Amino acid sequence: GQNIDQPTEMTATEGAIVQINCTYQTSGFNGLFWYQQHAGEAPTFLSYNVLDGLEEKGRFSSFLSRSKGYSYLLLKELQMKDSASYLCAVRVGSNYQLIWGAGTKLIIKP
Amino acid sequence: EAQVTQNPRYLITVTGKKLTVTCSQNMNHEYMSWYRQDPGLGLRQIYYSMNVEVTDKGDVPEGYKVSRKEKRNFPLILESPSPNQTSLYFCASRNGGGAGSYEQYFGPGTRLTVT
Repeated sequence: GQNIDQPTEMTATEGAIVQINCTYQTSGFNGLFWYQQHAGEAPTFLSYNVLDGLEEKGRFSSFLSRSKGYSYLLLKELQMKDSASYLCAVRVGSNYQLIWGAGTKLIIKP
Repeated sequence: EAQVTQNPRYLITVTGKKLTVTCSQNMNHEYMSWYRQDPGLGLRQIYYSMNVEVTDKGDVPEGYKVSRKEKRNFPLILESPSPNQTSLYFCASRNGGGAGSYEQYFGPGTRLTVT
């Protein structure tokens, strides 16, 4: 079967650092995506990892370990606008379909 | 402006009344997809299309139909909607059919309520 696990909700303080974890068990792997989704809006692309290691993009970084079936999204210098859900998705299969986690709702407090 | 558009954005309808949600993209993307999003379940794929006249079922296709007669359009059809199809629907598109960091671009969503 295909399974992606993320924490349901996390709370962090403005200016701090937060790490959102994602573990996956899928038949096949062709890359892992992170998307951000503000309430009532469409998901928007944050990052893509296909090889092990850390990808840094400004305040956001994403890490992948394929052997462990594990990824995390690291958000630094948190801002109130970072309050959103963060979706982990794994690409699988010959048609490169995405399997989505249920998302992690991140609440930022002043 | 590169975008995916969906219409309508909000729809309240009754059981059994056929409806169509339109989706259009202006990025000349080959791949288009429909998802539904329900609380606690994440995005689930309904149907996808790799190119014109090529469509295939996703994870939850029952009760839905699609067509891809033109590259830019990918309508979602509910022939006989039922209350369990009440959900938030997203259309998405991306370039390419192979590997690479092909991010998906999402439409703004259609909130459907079936009573």
